[in-house]
Amino acid sequence: ETGVTQTPRHLVMGMTNKKSLKCEQHLGHNAMYWYKQSAKKPLELMFVYNFKEQTENNSVPSRFSPECPNSSHLFLHLHTLQPEDSALYLCASSQDTGVYSNQPQHFGDGTRLSIL
Amino acid sequence: KNQVEQSPQSLIILEGKNCTLQCNYTVSPFSNLRWYKQDTGRGPVSLTIMTFSENTKSNGRYTATLDADTKQSSLHITASQLSDSASYICVGQTGANNLFFGTGTRLTVIP
Repeated sequence: ETGVTQTPRHLVMGMTNKKSLKCEQHLGHNAMYWYKQSAKKPLELMFVYNFKEQTENNSVPSRFSPECPNSSHLFLHLHTLQPEDSALYLCASSQDTGVYSNQPQHFGDGTRLSIL
Repeated sequence: KNQVEQSPQSLIILEGKNCTLQCNYTVSPFSNLRWYKQDTGRGPVSLTIMTFSENTKSNGRYTATLDADTKQSSLHITASQLSDSASYICVGQTGANNLFFGTGTRLTVIP
């Protein structure tokens, strides 16, 4: 139990479907992150939220839409995805994103997404 | 260019043996160097975080070292156990709060 829960754990969807990934953290953290992890590639940061405000969007295609209603919940809304979007999507949280922050990120176990 | 390179890509060792994983980083301005362990089907778990002023940090049987001059870090695992089988990811953080991830070393411990 890492304190960060992601649902669903697995998701198979067609390219025309709309689905959402959910992340919830029980650690009292103020920062939350979405990452994409593809085989044999480094983790790719997608979005960062600090105190519910989006502070970073790493040139992510608009077919990925994040939502952070409060500091404990983070969603990733998906629509018209492409086969290359198949990957493990990881959510993480940390105390905050302060400059020179030496705090660890706590990761969920991810959603394995497959696009047909 | 900010980047993190890890070696080897994969490693197989016998249970009870020690091993060392390597990480070369080019991260500027440097803030800290992190090691994570990622079990198959799970998210990464933080092992150590070292700042510029720290050259070694331990977490149980895991010991990380940092050489800021050569921009190298290593993760030493002592008396390996089957549960150490995982991917180990090195991450460099800049002062601007950007994280740069390596591709990981896949460690397999066999009985």
